[in-house]
Amino acid sequence: QSVLTQPPSASGTPGQRVTISCSGSNSNIGSNTVNWYQQLPGTAPKLLIYRNNQRPSGVPDRFSGSKSGTSASLAISGLQSEDEADYYCAAWDASLNVVVFGGGTKLTVL
Amino acid sequence: QVQLVESGGGVVQSGRSLRLSCAASGFTFSTYAMHWVRQAPGKGLEWVAFIWFDGINKYYADSVRGRFTISRDNSKNTLYLQMNSLRAEDTAVYYCATDPPSSGYALDYWGQGTLVTVSS
Repeated sequence: QSVLTQPPSASGTPGQRVTISCSGSNSNIGSNTVNWYQQLPGTAPKLLIYRNNQRPSGVPDRFSGSKSGTSASLAISGLQSEDEADYYCAAWDASLNVVVFGGGTKLTVL
Repeated sequence: QVQLVESGGGVVQSGRSLRLSCAASGFTFSTYAMHWVRQAPGKGLEWVAFIWFDGINKYYADSVRGRFTISRDNSKNTLYLQMNSLRAEDTAVYYCATDPPSSGYALDYWGQGTLVTVSS
């Protein structure tokens, strides 16, 4: 059971916009920034969004993040087949003094 | 360019020990916090441990606290994970990752991972 809650799966067709939610608590998302990772099949995770809504260089602006209270969201617009991957949210938990991850969301491009 | 290369994985019997290494290059290692994250076969990411840039503060997941020790040698640009009393549930790919200053615990570079298999 992950501390952060994500839907196990999401899907969309090419060109669509999809969102992935991440729910936490006051001690993690509510008091710290959220980071998102993309893991393509058979590869190491890659930082996709940091500090709630910042994109590292090289990440397309089709990817965006937001946070409100104890929840966060990752939005992918103009969905492409290469976006098919697992997506994880994460945050520092100030009560536990650990990094907590969501269980991951498997995105399928139909 | 940033490069992280993990090594030391393999097959080990339950109850035994293993030490993982992560050789870093392409950035100023001594100014970055570092993390270990693992992924059991077919499962999600699980954070394991975190060490400050200077090695003074260390944090662990409950599942490994008391059995695993994270350390670093800034003179060798290397991160370590000493794993003792290994259990079957420790079987996973272990990744090291960088955490740059003021990133909000964002793990911005990851190694390719090293597989640890604990057999009973």
